[in-house]
Amino acid sequence: AQSVTQLDSQVPVFEEAPVELRCNYSSSVSVYLFWYVQYPNQGLQLLLKYLSGSTLVESINGFEAEFNKSQTSFHLRKPSVHISDTAEYFCAVTPDGTSYGKLTFGQGTILTVHP
Amino acid sequence: DAGVIQSPRHEVTEMGQEVTLRCKPISGHDYLFWYRQTMMRGLELLIYFNNNVPIDDSGMPEDRFSAKMPNASFSTLKIQPSEPRDSAVYFCASSGLLGRGEQYFGPGTRLTVT
Repeated sequence: AQSVTQLDSQVPVFEEAPVELRCNYSSSVSVYLFWYVQYPNQGLQLLLKYLSGSTLVESINGFEAEFNKSQTSFHLRKPSVHISDTAEYFCAVTPDGTSYGKLTFGQGTILTVHP
Repeated sequence: DAGVIQSPRHEVTEMGQEVTLRCKPISGHDYLFWYRQTMMRGLELLIYFNNNVPIDDSGMPEDRFSAKMPNASFSTLKIQPSEPRDSAVYFCASSGLLGRGEQYFGPGTRLTVT
């Protein structure tokens, strides 16, 4: 079984400041990792994912996450945030290969960007 | 593709009434998931199907909840009788073999039970 811990329930930050949202996971098997974003009154949308290969993955809107197997972490970072990045962010994990099925989600981190 | 489609988008009902939420997954996807989201408990997986067969319903809160998937393009989540504590946003999501676990979420149904 897998578990995901998002270490911060809320992260307030000023516009143009850098931000890091932390995610740690636990699993006895290799995993795929995901970050989802949920804007107010919307469903969850995939932000980025790690399946294999380079441990640093990027999204189209400037976020990046690095898979660290030794620390079992997949922290999300952005060097300069915008007001429009205000949302709730979820980290998720599933077993890799053909044994995937459901995603195990973290509790979510609410990112609030202040002007 | 239109994405995952859910209906209705909003539902207001009185306690004791039956509520049916509907979901159309993305064509070709073989997994379908039902989630519930509340402020108190966050995002909870209720049940999921693979090839129309329920795989894990351990998240279904109680016998008042039931879910069906009669074919690959349609699923329902039914609450009978509904209670005020069922008020939440219910999401449907689907995923396919090639997506390696990536789930696509619908816009959700906001249920209010008065």
